[in-house]
Amino acid sequence: DGGITQSPKYLFRKEGQNVTLSCEQNLNHDAMYWYRQDPGQGLRLIYYSQIVNDFQKGDIAEGYSVSREKKESFPLTVTSAQKNPTAFYLCASSTSGTRDNVLTFGAGSRLTVL
Amino acid sequence: GENVEQHPSTLSVQEGDSAVIKCTYSDSASNYFPWYKQELGKRPQLIIDIRSNVGEKKDQRIAVTLNKTAKHFSLHITETQPEDSAVYFCAARGNFNKFYFGSGTKLNVKP
Repeated sequence: DGGITQSPKYLFRKEGQNVTLSCEQNLNHDAMYWYRQDPGQGLRLIYYSQIVNDFQKGDIAEGYSVSREKKESFPLTVTSAQKNPTAFYLCASSTSGTRDNVLTFGAGSRLTVL
Repeated sequence: GENVEQHPSTLSVQEGDSAVIKCTYSDSASNYFPWYKQELGKRPQLIIDIRSNVGEKKDQRIAVTLNKTAKHFSLHITETQPEDSAVYFCAARGNFNKFYFGSGTKLNVKP
């Protein structure tokens, strides 16, 4: 699946529960990203990481947390503090160079809060 | 930070006609502008990109133009086919390798 694997593909959560979305890449990319996609809207950046053990908030980080303990992995936790978590979540990765860092996406995880 | 605006939000064309989607960006430091195609329920796929030192790039029926002075770039699809129907996103890469996306254009090619 293009070198980036997201799991699960579909996830249902009850209100008040934390859930973690997995993102693994075997492209040897330094940079990894999490985007949220809502119907009729573009992709909004939640968190991004340029290197292991370092990450920065994007434009809509409230209610989310991440970790980057390994180069290959960038899991996203949707906490109970996220007021409207139902959405399609896309993980992406790229090289960190300034020239050839094409953004490659995973297949996405669709989260539904019941 | 960067702000990317995309127009139109929906576009309906007859098969064989051309389609044009336009984007503007705000940060003059942005230097790389990819376009993605997303089919329903699938991941966005890169279809063409352009760097800030180039004014135009073409790949078969798809072309992208960039006007750095005006801070806008456009996607042109010629001889459209039904399989071109999808949502198209423009993006701009700003500082710290952050990618900012437009709100998307839903293209419908009528057979």
